[in-house]
Amino acid sequence: GNSVTQMEGPVTLSEEAFLTINCTYTATGYPSLFWYVQYPGEGLQLLLKATKADDKGSNKGFEATYRKETTSFHLEKGSVQVSDSAVYFCALKGGSSNTGKLIFGQGTTLQVKP
Amino acid sequence: DGGITQSPKYLFRKEGQNVTLSCEQNLNHDAMYWYRQDPGQGLRLIYYSQIVNDFQKGDIAEGYSVSREKKESFPLTVTSAQKNPTAFYLCASSIDFVSESNQPQHFGDGTRLSIL
Repeated sequence: GNSVTQMEGPVTLSEEAFLTINCTYTATGYPSLFWYVQYPGEGLQLLLKATKADDKGSNKGFEATYRKETTSFHLEKGSVQVSDSAVYFCALKGGSSNTGKLIFGQGTTLQVKP
Repeated sequence: DGGITQSPKYLFRKEGQNVTLSCEQNLNHDAMYWYRQDPGQGLRLIYYSQIVNDFQKGDIAEGYSVSREKKESFPLTVTSAQKNPTAFYLCASSIDFVSESNQPQHFGDGTRLSIL
């Protein structure tokens, strides 16, 4: 079945450092891919999405490109801030699974130090 | 502002007691979901509803029950049969449940349930 694998955390960075959080997926067909962010004590917020191969989703300085050849959707940001400290979830939907469910990765905790 | 409202934010349950978590959305979404999140872990799907008056079990439905009598409401009852109910519960909705749809799920702010 479909699955999503994220790099294990926590990821600890200094402010203004470059961020990469790896996400790879297993799915047949052409799923849609999402990144969600969860701040402490809150629900999940959609950060960005991509719906077909080579699409780049972007929002608030974060970017991720849908790479079908490597089945990856890595999250990047050029210069992180303390306020970016949160848990980040990669997720997919659709493809040949024929279900509207979201399949989530296990989440990656990001800690940004001043 | 459209969104999903979960209440209460914190809830305490005594042993052997059923409790109901509220989830209301004013986004006019057809599909609604309940997830459980344990500390340091990802989300696990409890129940989902594709449309009003319909719902299906997710991956960890035992000890939980739901209803979907109105489009905007999807309450979750944690029954006494759920032996380890302490967790963070998240409700979500989406425009539809179509696999080909690229529409995301939208989440509420969660309810934290604890056992007294």
